Amino acid sequence: SAVISQKPSRDICQRGTSLTIQCQVDSQVTMMFWYRQQPGQSLTLIATANQGSEATYESGFVIDKFPISRPNLTFSTLTVSNMSPEDSSIYLCSGSGGEVMDTQYFGPGTRLTVL
Amino acid sequence: AQSVTQLDSHVSVSEGTPVLLRCNYSSSYSPSLFWYVQHPNKGLQLLLKYTSAATLVKGINGFEAEFKKSETSFHLTKPSAHMSDAAEYFCVVSRDTGFQKLVFGTGTRLLVSP
Repeated sequence: SAVISQKPSRDICQRGTSLTIQCQVDSQVTMMFWYRQQPGQSLTLIATANQGSEATYESGFVIDKFPISRPNLTFSTLTVSNMSPEDSSIYLCSGSGGEVMDTQYFGPGTRLTVL
Repeated sequence: AQSVTQLDSHVSVSEGTPVLLRCNYSSSYSPSLFWYVQHPNKGLQLLLKYTSAATLVKGINGFEAEFKKSETSFHLTKPSAHMSDAAEYFCVVSRDTGFQKLVFGTGTRLLVSP
């Protein structure tokens, strides 16, 4: 199994600012992903964080808005840029592959409120 | 394209009675299916997964699910509900054959009354 931690657990931000969320896995995983869960809704995949190369974004999500880094097999960051109230969501990271095989484990999420 | 439909947004049961959470899937190939649970202010936890082995899958905390290809269903059941089962449950299908890109259903909130 894998334990995934995220920092911060929650934050309240002003519109127009940016927030970087960190995701740390206690095992080496092949794949890392970032999801968004808007209030009262299900999870939507934002992007796949690729080690050593640019992230792969899903339809409707762009790098300028959600830049992602993945410097190694256990760590990734997601930045929410130029925030607006519509970005208020829970952001979750997950990891799979490698030492944890085909099961995808999730972090506890970062609850973001944009005023 | 792969998708899942959770047929109930809310399910209410009494403690000690059976639980049934319904999920139908759509997939252009043999799917990998999962059930995840999300407790309030907690992360997602994998309950069980189906990956083309046995059609009856047993998970943690007494939950199980049966893959029925003829009905395109993957319903989650538990013989006897416990108060601690109250949570949001997500039926999930893998968008690719490597179990990587997941597509989540809209979720079913399970309420358990004493």
